[in-house]
Amino acid sequence: GENVEQHPSTLSVQEGDSAVIKCTYSDSASNYFPWYKQELGKRPQLIIDIRSNVGEKKDQRIAVTLNKTAKHFSLHITETQPEDSAVYFCAAGYNNNDMRFGAGTRLTVKP
Amino acid sequence: DVKVTQSSRYLVKRTGEKVFLECVQDMDHENMFWYRQDPGLGLRLIYFSYDVKMKEKGDIPEGYSVSREKKERFSLILESASTNQTSMYLCASSLGRGRSDTQYFGPGTRLTVL
Repeated sequence: GENVEQHPSTLSVQEGDSAVIKCTYSDSASNYFPWYKQELGKRPQLIIDIRSNVGEKKDQRIAVTLNKTAKHFSLHITETQPEDSAVYFCAAGYNNNDMRFGAGTRLTVKP
Repeated sequence: DVKVTQSSRYLVKRTGEKVFLECVQDMDHENMFWYRQDPGLGLRLIYFSYDVKMKEKGDIPEGYSVSREKKERFSLILESASTNQTSMYLCASSLGRGRSDTQYFGPGTRLTVL
């Protein structure tokens, strides 16, 4: 089955700086790579996703890149704000039925 | 707007008790999932279901069972609760089998087993 590793486990940046979180996966059949944000005491919510036929996707300050050859994908947040502080989870899977999540990255944005 | 609800936010049970966690979604989703969330381990899949009365084991099914008698409801059962099952349990649902779709999560149930 799929195995997802996520790094770093904690990340602290100054407001306005960029943050990058990286994930690797093991199953070359995986074709769907979502990222979830979980604020303290709340449920995980999808912030961006990418499918295997695309190498990069952007949504305002958030971007995700995918390298299928190397089996890794990354989340990039630019111009970070205090409200970006949360735990971020990457996930990988094939057609959503076998999604596996990374261990999470706790991002702290210092004002 | 998709709504996924879970029967309890907080639950305290004793070792050996039978525990039922219920999840309901209101968007006619085919797929439903149960995860547990532990610090440093992320979200680990316990069971999932892609249709009524269908279930598939995830990564950590031991000590758990599930029931899906109706499309909108997916129950997680701890037959005999143990202290190592103290955790946050998250339910999720997604649209359809065979598609890459967003999973929508419930608010979670924090279970403590004494």
